[in-house]
Amino acid sequence: DIQMTQSPSTLSASVGDRVTITCRASQSISSWLAWYQQKPGKAPKLLIYKASSLESGVPSRFSGSGSGTEFTLTISSLQPDDFATFYCQQYYSYPYSFGQGTKLEIK
Amino acid sequence: QVQLVESGGGVVQPGRSLRLSCAASGFTFSSYGMHWVRQAPGKGLEWVAVIWYDGSNKNYADSVKGRFTISRDNSKNTLYLQMNSLRAEDTAVYYCASSSWYAEYFQHWGQGTLVTVSS
Repeated sequence: DIQMTQSPSTLSASVGDRVTITCRASQSISSWLAWYQQKPGKAPKLLIYKASSLESGVPSRFSGSGSGTEFTLTISSLQPDDFATFYCQQYYSYPYSFGQGTKLEIK
Repeated sequence: QVQLVESGGGVVQPGRSLRLSCAASGFTFSSYGMHWVRQAPGKGLEWVAVIWYDGSNKNYADSVKGRFTISRDNSKNTLYLQMNSLRAEDTAVYYCASSSWYAEYFQHWGQGTLVTVSS
């Protein structure tokens, strides 16, 4: 099974900051990686698929990069609505798996 | 617009069964793979199961294999999860989610239904 590891687990930042979250896979997953944002009490929302493709309607301040085993999610200029928990997910092979999550907090 | 609405959650005793449903609308349900994903209270996301668009292939997380069964009725635009031999560790919010048209990331999600396994 493929293990997904995110870092950091918690990130404190301010509005306007540029932030980066890293996701590592235990084996190569090519570019079969998605990123989701989840707010408390709500369902996750797709942000990025195929490592770097922006889902329709998602602000362009979100971007993804990477391939193989190392991936990043970058938010170029944090907005108040962005504070949430972020998850990466591999869909290269079953069983699909998520990272443990990165909670983005207001500094 | 795409809408996924889960139902069937509740409180159930360990060892008992429960069936979840997910009613889909706003897209051609019979053309898309569907998933169940769960989230234990205060924890992260865990993929549970997938069923292909036509029901021809199913796959499960090891944690539920042999106890849970995913199915679909394309004539009713509905996805199901039959959960047997429930354990305390199955307590979670269960989300249904649809695949994209070309790959199995989770493009659309329901609001979730809470399953609590407790005596």
